[in-house]
Amino acid sequence: NAGVTQTPKFRVLKTGQSMTLLCAQDMNHEYMYWYRQDPGMGLRLIHYSVGEGTTAKGEVPDGYNVSRLKKQNFLLGLESAAPSQTSVYFCASSQARPPQHFGDGTRLSIL
Amino acid sequence: QQQVKQSPQSLIVQKGGISIINCAYENTAFDYFPWYQQFPGKGPALLIAIRPDVSEKKEGRFTISFNKSAKQFSLHIMDSQPGDSATYFCAASGGGGADGLTFGKGTHLIIQP
Repeated sequence: NAGVTQTPKFRVLKTGQSMTLLCAQDMNHEYMYWYRQDPGMGLRLIHYSVGEGTTAKGEVPDGYNVSRLKKQNFLLGLESAAPSQTSVYFCASSQARPPQHFGDGTRLSIL
Repeated sequence: QQQVKQSPQSLIVQKGGISIINCAYENTAFDYFPWYQQFPGKGPALLIAIRPDVSEKKEGRFTISFNKSAKQFSLHIMDSQPGDSATYFCAASGGGGADGLTFGKGTHLIIQP
């Protein structure tokens, strides 16, 4: 999807490892979001940001941390990965709520 | 606690037919109701959205019908085409703040040629 880029696209981790997912948007949007998508569950909000330097918890924040040091970037971190965090992660951005533009996702498997 | 309930889970429609997907919500503070289309390996893409001050919105072959008193809204796809085969999500947002969207669990739609 144009404007929101997620890296990496795929990743396999071992339990206990850490990693950071990067979301970058080039639309100068204020709002950025991280969702996870699990089979049969729809998308659930992990964390979001309403501007540079701000973050807030969503519906399922446990086990994740985020940072928004630059307006265009929103990072999602897993400090100690667990198998329950195997999912597809989507980043989204918008100029105002709610999120409008989604990236194509990061597929994360934790063994 | 699921605040947006979507049905059916899967749907098969013949080419040229009408596809209908339904959603019901609980939170009366919701004030924005979008539908998203998702193809395999891609992120959700905004398809059409409605606010509670209108009962219907049409964009091309896609129509949202909204019933505020029943707290229900639905997506109708007229003249369904094989290219419409995808997963569709309803969602809701509102009540102030920037807490994103609450999604339904999705409907896997297959349009048979």
